[in-house]
Amino acid sequence: EDQVTQSPEALRLQEGESSSLNCSYTVSGLRGLFWYRQDPGKGPEFLFTLYSAGEEKEKERLKATLTKKESFLHITAPKPEDSATYLCAVQADQTGANNLFFGTGTRLTVIP
Amino acid sequence: GAVVSQHPSRVICKSGTSVKIECRSLDFQATTMFWYRQFPKQSLMLMATSNEGSKATYEQGVEKDKFLINHASLTLSTLTVTSAHPEDSSFYICSAGGTSGKQETQYFGPGTRLLVL
Repeated sequence: EDQVTQSPEALRLQEGESSSLNCSYTVSGLRGLFWYRQDPGKGPEFLFTLYSAGEEKEKERLKATLTKKESFLHITAPKPEDSATYLCAVQADQTGANNLFFGTGTRLTVIP
Repeated sequence: GAVVSQHPSRVICKSGTSVKIECRSLDFQATTMFWYRQFPKQSLMLMATSNEGSKATYEQGVEKDKFLINHASLTLSTLTVTSAHPEDSSFYICSAGGTSGKQETQYFGPGTRLLVL
């Protein structure tokens, strides 16, 4: 059974304190792994797509990496505006086009 | 990224009434749209996949007669919650399948918060 597990469930960081969020997955054939940011009461905002182990993507203070079992979202010197819930989702080979299976997210709070 | 809108953003209705939620892709044609439901502090749960011009594909446990989906054009999909009950109160989010560069992804709408009294 396909599974996506994110940890930690919640993370509080001081401004400037770098850290990483984890997304572990088990799927029968990974087509893609996606990271989204979701602010309270809003829809998810696309951040990155990773397709193969060893791949890395960067955007401002965020860097996503992928292995065969997990993905990390590294946050370097976070700012209060980075506070949000970060969602990981996987797209498996056997599912329909574009179907995504989401983890429960990591709720990040960056304290000034 | 692509822009997806939803209307209304919030709706309050009485138990037993029906509510229609619209999802529009504003700057691209989406052959596939998705409807999700999100309960407080939980992740997004896919309800159904909507393909333009054909019947929607519902996930296990989602009643197709209760959650009616219409995808009549490449830019519009609607979700109608029929005979809504308090347990249907949730955050409903649509997304449209698209491409970011060479990569397939989903672009999400801002969500519709439904409260059934």
